Amino acid sequence: GAVVSQHPSRVICKSGTSVKIECRSLDFQATTMFWYRQFPKQSLMLMATSNEGSKATYEQGVEKDKFLINHASLTLSTLTVTSAHPEDSSFYICSARDLTGGDGELFFGEGSRLTVL
Amino acid sequence: AQKVTQAQTEISVVEKEDVTLDCVYETRDTTYYLFWYKQPPSGELVFLIRRNSFDEQNEISGRYSWNFQKSTSSFNFTITASQVVDSAVYFCALNLTPRPLVFGKGTRLSVIA
Repeated sequence: GAVVSQHPSRVICKSGTSVKIECRSLDFQATTMFWYRQFPKQSLMLMATSNEGSKATYEQGVEKDKFLINHASLTLSTLTVTSAHPEDSSFYICSARDLTGGDGELFFGEGSRLTVL
Repeated sequence: AQKVTQAQTEISVVEKEDVTLDCVYETRDTTYYLFWYKQPPSGELVFLIRRNSFDEQNEISGRYSWNFQKSTSSFNFTITASQVVDSAVYFCALNLTPRPLVFGKGTRLSVIA
């Protein structure tokens, strides 16, 4: 089956630094990827929709200048948390849509747990 | 608007008991997909099932079964003879392609030995 890989799985950084998370579709091309954030004991909330070759679409309340999304190729989307602060500590997970089969099945990465000290 | 409601926040059962996790969804679209995912403490989402809106047949996979009823907009999940390894958070989700998944708030299941 289709696989989506996320890296890193865990990252700890100091407050004020930037962190980049990668999401790769390993065996299919993904024109659209989605980034979710999950705070402890909460559900997954959509942050943004990443479109290959164009600007990402952000959900209401998500700062686009803080969470930079780049989808420069059909198999890679990156989320950069700029000037991270402790309140950005969360579990970030991406998903990619495989249109190969026609029904656009969604696959999730393994997630990245960010801890900002 | 799309919405998924998982009314049960936390459930505790004793091992070998059956447990049903409820999921109610809202959408005006006639074509959609429903999902269940398991999220163990490690965090990754484990895909359990995807069901399209035109397939109301119930499904059984080992100890897992799903009951899809469009009349009540429900897609309930039953674990038979629960085991400690079933302890996790379970999410129900709704998808209208090509839009992203909309998740319920999740149900935390604890199976006690």
